Amino acid sequence: QSALTQPPSASGSPGQSVTISCTGTSSDVGRYNYVSWYQQHPGSAPKVIIYEVNKRPSGVPDRFSGSKSGNTASLTVSGLQADDEAEYYCSSYGDRNNWVFGGGTKLTVL
Amino acid sequence: QLQLQESGPGLVKPSETLSLICTVSGGSISSDAYYWGWVRQTPGKGLEWIGYFDNGGSTYYNPSLQSRVTVSADKSSNQIALTLTSVTAADMALYHCARHRWTYGYFDSWGQGILVTVSS
Repeated sequence: QSALTQPPSASGSPGQSVTISCTGTSSDVGRYNYVSWYQQHPGSAPKVIIYEVNKRPSGVPDRFSGSKSGNTASLTVSGLQADDEAEYYCSSYGDRNNWVFGGGTKLTVL
Repeated sequence: QLQLQESGPGLVKPSETLSLICTVSGGSISSDAYYWGWVRQTPGKGLEWIGYFDNGGSTYYNPSLQSRVTVSADKSSNQIALTLTSVTAADMALYHCARHRWTYGYFDSWGQGILVTVSS
């Protein structure tokens, strides 16, 4: 059981938008703005695509966006491309100096 | 370019101690801007933060693992070490070393990971 809850799968057709949710508690996602999202392709290490809820590191396309409402954070991928097919993980800072992750969402581009 | 490479035994017996090393190249683990540590990954639970240290030598651990884990630095070799005692099957995972950009709260560089199996 992961600390943050994500749907196990999501899908969309090329060009469409898809949103992945990440539900935590008032002790992590709901309290802190240190929510980040990672993309992981098979056989590769995770790569950060969103940090501090809605900021993108240099080089990450603006097709990726993040938001938060209450205890739930969301990642939206717009204009889906074949290369977006990957596993996506959310993460949040939590009470007691703890970092928590979600169980991951497998995004399939149909 | 920063590279992190994990090494160590891929097989550990139940109740024994897991010891891994991460060798960092292309950057110094003595940098004030980053913390250095470990994250593990399993198919069922996804990613799990284990712990990290800062340049001042302070360590921070996942509360669920704190009683069994040690993360330390060998600055002369630019290496990060992980020890996890009393392992069980629940500790079977892909172990990544990772650099944490503490100002912004994310892990910005990762090793490919080393798969650890717990079996007698």
